[in-house]
Amino acid sequence: GIQVEQSPPDLILQEGANSTLRCNFSDSVNNLQWFHQNPWGQLINLFYIPSGTKQNGRLSATTVATERYSLLYISSSQTTDSGVYFCAAESNFGNEKLTFGTGTRLTIIP
Amino acid sequence: DGGITQSPKYLFRKEGQNVTLSCEQNLNHDAMYWYRQDPGQGLRLIYYSQIVNDFQKGDIAEGYSVSREKKESFPLTVTSAQKNPTAFYLCASSRLPVLGEQYFGPGTRLTVT
Repeated sequence: GIQVEQSPPDLILQEGANSTLRCNFSDSVNNLQWFHQNPWGQLINLFYIPSGTKQNGRLSATTVATERYSLLYISSSQTTDSGVYFCAAESNFGNEKLTFGTGTRLTIIP
Repeated sequence: DGGITQSPKYLFRKEGQNVTLSCEQNLNHDAMYWYRQDPGQGLRLIYYSQIVNDFQKGDIAEGYSVSREKKESFPLTVTSAQKNPTAFYLCASSRLPVLGEQYFGPGTRLTVT
């Protein structure tokens, strides 16, 4: 099945800094999502982005499907951005299910 | 409000007991999913269902069972055959036929001692 790898595994930044999280996947995809897991465990949908670029406030994402990677950008980080960011993908050859990466743990220091 | 509810939030059981976790959605989604998350890990798929009265095993189905008698409900039973049941369990749903965006419930933390 499809492999999903995220980097870096951990990231510690000062409040106000910008960050880039990366997600590599091994097959062509027809579904790719970014989630933020808050300290209480809730997964919050950030982007549904199998291709192209989207922006939502301080967050934006780009998926380059032909090169099999997606990037999540966080600008002007706030302490509330802390948590774990997951990328999940479904292969074009898949069976209607997502495969999750192991996540990037982001810690924003005041 | 539309969304996915899971109950209870925390659940404690003795080893050897079966336990059922509830998942309800009012989003009118066709597909529902159960995932398991262990500390510091990603999510792994246990079972999923795309239509009432039908479901498929995910990557780690051993020791678990599900039912899908109603479109809105997809309960998960953790049986005594599951060797390491202590984990965080997340339920999700999405539209079909093409897999759309998945939405998650708040999760249930199960501790078995």
